[in-house]
Amino acid sequence: AQTVTQSQPEMSVQEAETVTLSCTYDTSESDYYLFWYKQPPSRQMILVIRQEAYKQQNATENRFSVNFQKAAKSFSLKISDSQLGDAAMYFCAYTLSPGTYKYIFGTGTRLKVLA
Amino acid sequence: DAGVTQSPTHLIKTRGQQVTLRCSPKSGHDTVSWYQQALGQGPQFIFQYYEEEERQRGNFPDRFSGHQFPNYSSELNVNALLLGDSALYLCASSSGLAGVKNIQYFGAGTRLSVL
Repeated sequence: AQTVTQSQPEMSVQEAETVTLSCTYDTSESDYYLFWYKQPPSRQMILVIRQEAYKQQNATENRFSVNFQKAAKSFSLKISDSQLGDAAMYFCAYTLSPGTYKYIFGTGTRLKVLA
Repeated sequence: DAGVTQSPTHLIKTRGQQVTLRCSPKSGHDTVSWYQQALGQGPQFIFQYYEEEERQRGNFPDRFSGHQFPNYSSELNVNALLLGDSALYLCASSSGLAGVKNIQYFGAGTRLSVL
């Protein structure tokens, strides 16, 4: 069975600094998608970034980038130039490709941004 | 363009009662998935509806049932409520079974408290 593990329950970062959130997963599949979602106090999950397993190149979205290590089954999120608005719960998620929306989520990492 | 909307935002029930939660998908989306997010945990997949049929189901008992209407909106029903059913229930919508890059858009959830 597929599992997703986030080993950092909480992380803190100074405003304008860089922080990396860790995620590991377990699967026997070769083709899948990985996501990072952000959940602010408003509760709505917001997609931060997405990675297709068959792509070697790491995904990047503005200040957000991932380090995808397929062999190690690792998918970390790097946030550069951290802003106060980045404070939230961050969830790593996995889903098989194609054709399913059954996401498997990790337990989340709470990110605090210090002014 | 309205995103995914859920109602009600908060609900209090007592053990043994039944509850119905509602979800309207994002405009243009026809697939709805439901997740349960217990306090301090990541969301867990309950089931997915497409073309008014349940297409996939997670590890939830039959007390959890759903429905999708011709306009793609959906309901989640939980019978014989238990204290352990207290959670945030998230609805997510997407386009088609295969989807566009397997991306789901989430609503802000319904917070269910069972006393």
